[in-house]
Amino acid sequence: GNSVTQMEGPVTLSEEAFLTINCTYTATGYPSLFWYVQYPGEGLQLLLKATKADDKGSNKGFEATYRKETTSFHLEKGSVQVSDSAVYFCALSELQGAQKLVFGQGTRLTINP
Amino acid sequence: DGGITQSPKYLFRKEGQNVTLSCEQNLNHDAMYWYRQDPGQGLRLIYYSQIVNDFQKGDIAEGYSVSREKKESFPLTVTSAQKNPTAFYLCASKPGTSGYNEQFFGPGTRLTVL
Repeated sequence: GNSVTQMEGPVTLSEEAFLTINCTYTATGYPSLFWYVQYPGEGLQLLLKATKADDKGSNKGFEATYRKETTSFHLEKGSVQVSDSAVYFCALSELQGAQKLVFGQGTRLTINP
Repeated sequence: DGGITQSPKYLFRKEGQNVTLSCEQNLNHDAMYWYRQDPGQGLRLIYYSQIVNDFQKGDIAEGYSVSREKKESFPLTVTSAQKNPTAFYLCASKPGTSGYNEQFFGPGTRLTVL
């Protein structure tokens, strides 16, 4: 079946550091790929998405590129801020049936000033 | 202002009780979903509905039930048959019928069994 594997956390960085959170997937066909962010006690917010190979999703300084060859969708940001502290989830959308989201386990990110 | 609302934010259940979690959306989305989140884990699908008056079991449906009588509403009942119901429950909706579309999430309900 379809699955998503994320970089183990937690991840702690200093403000203005470079961020990479790795995400790889296993899927039938070519699903859409997403990064969602969850702040404490809240629901999930869509951060960015890509719907086909070589697409780059971007938002709020975050970027991720849909790499079909390596089945990856790594999240990057050039200079993180304290306000980026949250849990980040990589997910794929199944294209048939329930069209559910299949999530990675999440990566907790803490940015220190 | 369009969005998804869930209530209550916190819910406490005694052993043997059934409780119902509310989910309402005014986005005019056809599909709605219930996910369960446990600490340090991703989300798992409980039930989903792609059209009014129809719903299907997800990956962990045992001990849960739903209804979809109106397009805007998709309540989830956690029954006494659910052995470990303490978790964070998230409702989501999705526009159209394409699997390429993103899902929009509500703020969640945290259920605790006393």
